[in-house]
Amino acid sequence: SYDLTQPPSVSVSPGQTASITCSGDKLGDKYVCWYQQKPGQSPVLVIYQDSKRPSGIPERFSGSNSGNTATLTISGTQAMDEADYYCQAWDSSTAGYYVFGTGTKVTVL
Amino acid sequence: EVQLVQSGAEVKKPGESLKISCKGSGYSFISYWIGWVRQMPGKGLEWMGIIYPGDSDTRYSPSFQGQVTISADKSISTAYLQWSSLKASDTAMYYCARGSPTENAFDVWGQGTMVTVSS
Repeated sequence: SYDLTQPPSVSVSPGQTASITCSGDKLGDKYVCWYQQKPGQSPVLVIYQDSKRPSGIPERFSGSNSGNTATLTISGTQAMDEADYYCQAWDSSTAGYYVFGTGTKVTVL
Repeated sequence: EVQLVQSGAEVKKPGESLKISCKGSGYSFISYWIGWVRQMPGKGLEWMGIIYPGDSDTRYSPSFQGQVTISADKSISTAYLQWSSLKASDTAMYYCARGSPTENAFDVWGQGTMVTVSS
Protein backbone atom coordinates (compact mmCIF):
# COMPACT_ATOMS: atom_id res chain seq x y z
CA SER A 1 0.00 0.00 0.00
CA TYR A 2 1.03 3.60 -0.48
CA ASP A 3 1.57 5.72 2.67
CA LEU A 4 1.51 9.48 3.12
CA THR A 5 3.11 10.86 6.27
CA GLN A 6 2.34 14.25 7.86
CA PRO A 7 3.58 15.80 11.10
CA PRO A 8 0.94 15.34 13.83
CA SER A 9 0.90 19.01 14.75
CA VAL A 10 2.08 22.43 13.67
CA SER A 11 1.86 25.59 15.77
CA VAL A 12 1.89 29.09 14.32
CA SER A 13 1.39 32.62 15.59
CA PRO A 14 -1.31 34.78 14.02
CA GLY A 15 -0.01 36.52 10.91
CA GLN A 16 2.89 34.13 10.49
CA THR A 17 3.41 31.37 7.93
CA ALA A 18 2.48 27.74 8.57
CA SER A 19 3.98 24.97 6.45
CA ILE A 20 2.57 21.45 6.50
CA THR A 21 4.48 18.67 4.78
CA CYS A 22 3.22 15.44 3.25
CA SER A 23 5.77 12.75 2.41
CA GLY A 24 5.46 9.73 0.17
CA ASP A 25 7.53 7.72 -2.26
CA LYS A 26 7.85 9.63 -5.58
CA LEU A 27 4.97 11.84 -4.47
CA GLY A 28 6.02 14.44 -7.03
CA ASP A 29 4.85 12.06 -9.77
CA LYS A 30 1.30 12.17 -8.45
CA TYR A 31 -1.34 14.86 -8.05
CA VAL A 32 -1.75 16.05 -4.45
CA CYS A 33 -4.66 17.88 -2.91
CA TRP A 34 -5.28 19.22 0.58
CA TYR A 35 -8.37 19.32 2.77
CA GLN A 36 -9.19 21.41 5.81
CA GLN A 37 -11.43 19.92 8.48
CA LYS A 38 -12.73 21.90 11.43
CA PRO A 39 -14.23 20.14 14.47
CA GLY A 40 -17.67 18.71 13.77
CA GLN A 41 -17.55 19.64 10.09
CA SER A 42 -17.01 17.85 6.80
CA PRO A 43 -13.66 18.29 5.06
CA VAL A 44 -13.24 21.16 2.60
CA LEU A 45 -10.94 21.09 -0.43
CA VAL A 46 -8.38 23.92 -0.21
CA ILE A 47 -5.77 22.89 -2.81
CA TYR A 48 -6.01 20.52 -5.79
CA GLN A 49 -3.54 19.38 -8.46
CA ASP A 50 -0.63 20.32 -6.20
CA SER A 51 -1.10 24.10 -6.23
CA LYS A 52 -4.50 25.18 -7.52
CA ARG A 53 -7.10 26.84 -5.30
CA PRO A 54 -10.81 26.13 -5.67
CA SER A 55 -13.13 29.07 -5.99
CA GLY A 56 -13.69 30.74 -2.63
CA ILE A 57 -10.45 29.58 -1.00
CA PRO A 58 -8.31 32.53 0.20
CA GLU A 59 -5.07 33.34 -1.57
CA ARG A 60 -3.13 32.75 1.65
CA PHE A 61 -3.41 29.01 0.94
CA SER A 62 -0.80 27.69 -1.50
CA GLY A 63 0.72 24.35 -2.36
CA SER A 64 3.73 22.73 -3.98
CA ASN A 65 4.84 19.19 -4.78
CA SER A 66 8.26 17.89 -5.78
CA GLY A 67 10.36 14.81 -5.19
CA ASN A 68 8.96 12.95 -2.22
CA THR A 69 7.31 15.89 -0.47
CA ALA A 70 4.26 18.06 -0.96
CA THR A 71 3.77 21.20 1.12
CA LEU A 72 0.72 23.24 2.07
CA THR A 73 1.60 26.80 3.06
CA ILE A 74 -0.70 29.16 4.89
CA SER A 75 0.61 32.72 4.69
CA GLY A 76 -0.62 35.31 7.17
CA THR A 77 -2.33 32.61 9.22
CA GLN A 78 -5.58 33.61 10.87
CA ALA A 79 -7.34 32.16 13.89
CA MET A 80 -10.01 30.74 11.56
CA ASP A 81 -7.34 28.56 9.92
CA GLU A 82 -7.01 26.45 13.06
CA ALA A 83 -8.09 23.00 11.89
CA ASP A 84 -6.91 19.55 10.85
CA TYR A 85 -5.34 19.35 7.41
CA TYR A 86 -5.05 16.22 5.27
CA CYS A 87 -3.12 15.66 2.09
CA GLN A 88 -4.37 13.20 -0.49
CA ALA A 89 -2.65 11.69 -3.50
CA TRP A 90 -4.21 10.60 -6.75
CA ASP A 91 -2.23 8.42 -9.10
CA SER A 92 -3.13 8.57 -12.79
CA SER A 93 -1.64 5.09 -13.30
CA THR A 94 -4.32 3.66 -11.01
CA ALA A 95 -7.09 6.08 -11.87
CA GLY A 96 -9.66 6.24 -9.12
CA TYR A 97 -7.28 5.10 -6.41
CA TYR A 98 -6.83 7.62 -3.60
CA VAL A 99 -4.96 7.70 -0.31
CA PHE A 100 -5.07 10.20 2.56
CA GLY A 101 -2.21 11.44 4.66
CA THR A 102 -2.11 10.95 8.42
CA GLY A 103 -3.35 14.47 9.14
CA THR A 104 -1.87 17.56 10.83
CA LYS A 105 -3.46 19.64 13.56
CA VAL A 106 -2.69 23.31 12.99
CA THR A 107 -2.89 25.40 16.15
CA VAL A 108 -2.87 29.18 15.93
CA LEU A 109 -1.38 30.40 19.21
CA GLU B 1 -26.34 24.36 -5.78
CA VAL B 2 -24.25 21.20 -5.92
CA GLN B 3 -25.04 19.04 -2.89
CA LEU B 4 -24.52 15.58 -1.48
CA VAL B 5 -27.09 14.74 1.19
CA GLN B 6 -26.48 11.65 3.30
CA SER B 7 -28.92 9.53 5.25
CA GLY B 8 -29.26 9.97 9.00
CA ALA B 9 -27.36 8.53 11.93
CA GLU B 10 -27.69 4.82 12.63
CA VAL B 11 -27.39 2.74 15.79
CA LYS B 12 -26.98 -0.96 15.16
CA LYS B 13 -26.00 -4.16 16.95
CA PRO B 14 -23.02 -6.31 15.97
CA GLY B 15 -23.91 -8.75 13.22
CA GLU B 16 -26.68 -6.58 11.75
CA SER B 17 -26.66 -5.33 8.17
CA LEU B 18 -26.78 -1.70 7.10
CA LYS B 19 -27.01 0.39 3.95
CA ILE B 20 -26.44 4.15 4.07
CA SER B 21 -27.07 6.54 1.21
CA CYS B 22 -25.74 9.67 -0.46
CA LYS B 23 -27.97 11.62 -2.83
CA GLY B 24 -26.47 14.04 -5.30
CA SER B 25 -28.19 17.09 -6.73
CA GLY B 26 -27.35 20.18 -8.74
CA TYR B 27 -25.02 18.42 -11.17
CA SER B 28 -24.84 15.48 -13.60
CA PHE B 29 -24.65 12.57 -11.15
CA ILE B 30 -23.43 10.12 -13.78
CA SER B 31 -20.45 12.27 -14.77
CA TYR B 32 -18.54 12.30 -11.48
CA TRP B 33 -17.13 9.64 -9.19
CA ILE B 34 -18.59 9.24 -5.69
CA GLY B 35 -16.14 8.21 -3.00
CA TRP B 36 -16.69 6.99 0.55
CA VAL B 37 -14.44 8.01 3.43
CA ARG B 38 -14.33 6.67 6.98
CA GLN B 39 -13.38 8.70 10.03
CA MET B 40 -13.23 6.78 13.27
CA PRO B 41 -13.74 8.80 16.48
CA GLY B 42 -10.81 11.15 16.99
CA LYS B 43 -8.92 9.73 14.01
CA GLY B 44 -8.01 10.68 10.46
CA LEU B 45 -9.65 10.23 7.09
CA GLU B 46 -9.50 6.84 5.35
CA TRP B 47 -10.44 6.34 1.70
CA MET B 48 -12.71 3.30 1.39
CA GLY B 49 -13.64 3.16 -2.26
CA ILE B 50 -15.18 4.91 -5.20
CA ILE B 51 -17.87 4.36 -7.82
CA TYR B 52 -18.62 5.93 -11.18
CA PRO B 53 -22.44 5.99 -11.38
CA GLY B 54 -22.38 6.29 -15.17
CA ASP B 55 -21.24 2.69 -15.60
CA SER B 56 -20.98 1.43 -11.97
CA ASP B 57 -17.19 1.03 -12.26
CA THR B 58 -16.18 0.47 -8.62
CA ARG B 59 -12.77 0.41 -6.95
CA TYR B 60 -11.96 -0.39 -3.33
CA SER B 61 -9.11 0.42 -1.03
CA PRO B 62 -7.32 -2.84 -0.19
CA SER B 63 -8.13 -2.14 3.46
CA PHE B 64 -11.88 -2.25 2.77
CA GLN B 65 -12.12 -4.77 -0.08
CA GLY B 66 -14.54 -7.50 0.98
CA GLN B 67 -15.62 -5.58 4.09
CA VAL B 68 -18.15 -3.25 2.46
CA THR B 69 -20.07 -2.93 -0.81
CA ILE B 70 -20.40 0.30 -2.76
CA SER B 71 -23.22 0.70 -5.26
CA ALA B 72 -25.23 3.38 -7.02
CA ASP B 73 -28.66 3.90 -8.56
CA LYS B 74 -28.23 6.53 -11.24
CA SER B 75 -31.98 6.76 -11.80
CA ILE B 76 -32.32 8.44 -8.40
CA SER B 77 -28.82 9.99 -8.23
CA THR B 78 -27.94 8.02 -5.11
CA ALA B 79 -24.86 6.11 -4.04
CA TYR B 80 -24.77 3.55 -1.26
CA LEU B 81 -22.38 2.01 1.23
CA GLN B 82 -23.42 -1.24 2.82
CA TRP B 83 -22.31 -3.81 5.35
CA SER B 84 -23.62 -7.37 5.63
CA SER B 85 -22.45 -7.94 9.19
CA LEU B 86 -21.43 -4.96 11.29
CA LYS B 87 -18.70 -5.02 13.93
CA ALA B 88 -18.11 -2.66 16.83
CA SER B 89 -15.00 -1.47 14.98
CA ASP B 90 -17.24 -0.11 12.20
CA THR B 91 -18.33 2.66 14.56
CA ALA B 92 -17.36 5.83 12.73
CA MET B 93 -18.48 8.83 10.73
CA TYR B 94 -18.84 8.01 7.06
CA TYR B 95 -18.62 10.70 4.39
CA CYS B 96 -19.46 10.55 0.73
CA ALA B 97 -17.66 12.96 -1.57
CA ARG B 98 -17.77 13.87 -5.25
CA GLY B 99 -14.66 12.98 -7.20
CA SER B 100 -13.90 15.61 -9.80
CA PRO B 101 -12.15 14.18 -12.88
CA THR B 102 -10.77 17.60 -13.76
CA GLU B 103 -9.50 18.46 -10.29
CA ASN B 104 -8.39 14.94 -9.27
CA ALA B 105 -9.85 15.60 -5.84
CA PHE B 106 -13.03 15.36 -3.80
CA ASP B 107 -14.55 18.77 -4.38
CA VAL B 108 -17.95 18.40 -2.68
CA TRP B 109 -18.63 16.47 0.52
CA GLY B 110 -21.75 15.18 2.20
CA GLN B 111 -22.56 16.09 5.79
CA GLY B 112 -21.57 12.66 7.06
CA THR B 113 -23.47 9.71 8.52
CA MET B 114 -22.58 8.56 12.02
CA VAL B 115 -22.78 4.80 12.43
CA THR B 116 -22.67 3.39 15.96
CA VAL B 117 -22.37 -0.35 16.45
CA SER B 118 -22.92 -1.47 20.02
CA SER B 119 -24.46 -4.40 21.81
